[in-house]
Amino acid sequence: DTGVSQNPRHKITKRGQNVTFRCDPISEHNRLYWYRQTLGQGPEFLTYFQNEAQLEKSRLLSDRFSAERPKGSFSTLEIQRTEQGDSAMYLCASSSTGLSGNTIYFGEGSWLTVV
Amino acid sequence: GESVGLHLPTLSVQEGDNSIINCAYSNSASDYFIWYKQESGKGPQFIIDIRSNMDKRQGQRVTVLLNKTVKHLSLQIAATQPGDSAVYFCADDNAGGTSYGKLTFGQGTILTVHP
Repeated sequence: DTGVSQNPRHKITKRGQNVTFRCDPISEHNRLYWYRQTLGQGPEFLTYFQNEAQLEKSRLLSDRFSAERPKGSFSTLEIQRTEQGDSAMYLCASSSTGLSGNTIYFGEGSWLTVV
Repeated sequence: GESVGLHLPTLSVQEGDNSIINCAYSNSASDYFIWYKQESGKGPQFIIDIRSNMDKRQGQRVTVLLNKTVKHLSLQIAATQPGDSAVYFCADDNAGGTSYGKLTFGQGTILTVHP
């Protein structure tokens, strides 16, 4: 099964440290999305890429957050100088812009705990 | 001491019963809607989607109904099984154009199926 893959699945870090998450989308999916989900809430959109271009960023994505998709395949989400409020699950998703539709498939998420 | 937390809508059913989960949306421009199932510690799993030019769509044991007049969406699960226990989210594409594929999630409903 070549679904959306994320790693690490869990990360505990001290406040002030930098963390990076990686996402490998479903192969041939040209769109890739990052969402954040906190306990008891639905996922919230952070940013998305079409191929290697980052086309939209949410206001939730502060200057400490940066996402890249250098070759239009995998993507990384880096959080610099982590704060306790960054603790959440970071979800990656992908989709295709083909004629069959735009079904968005999610990965299993990367849990971040900032202590 | 006092505790404050988020309370998601809940639905408890007996195994074999039919379940109906409701969702309201606010954006008249939304033209694509998706239902996701999320089990504890996992990412959202696609169940079924519907476009605004339809009012009903059926899948395996699931049916989605869309009422654009009152901006209401429902998910019907037939013969509910214990494995259906999860949080269910509706999501809509909230731009209907330039950022097609950026989802806004509803609050979520906790479904518990008793054997």
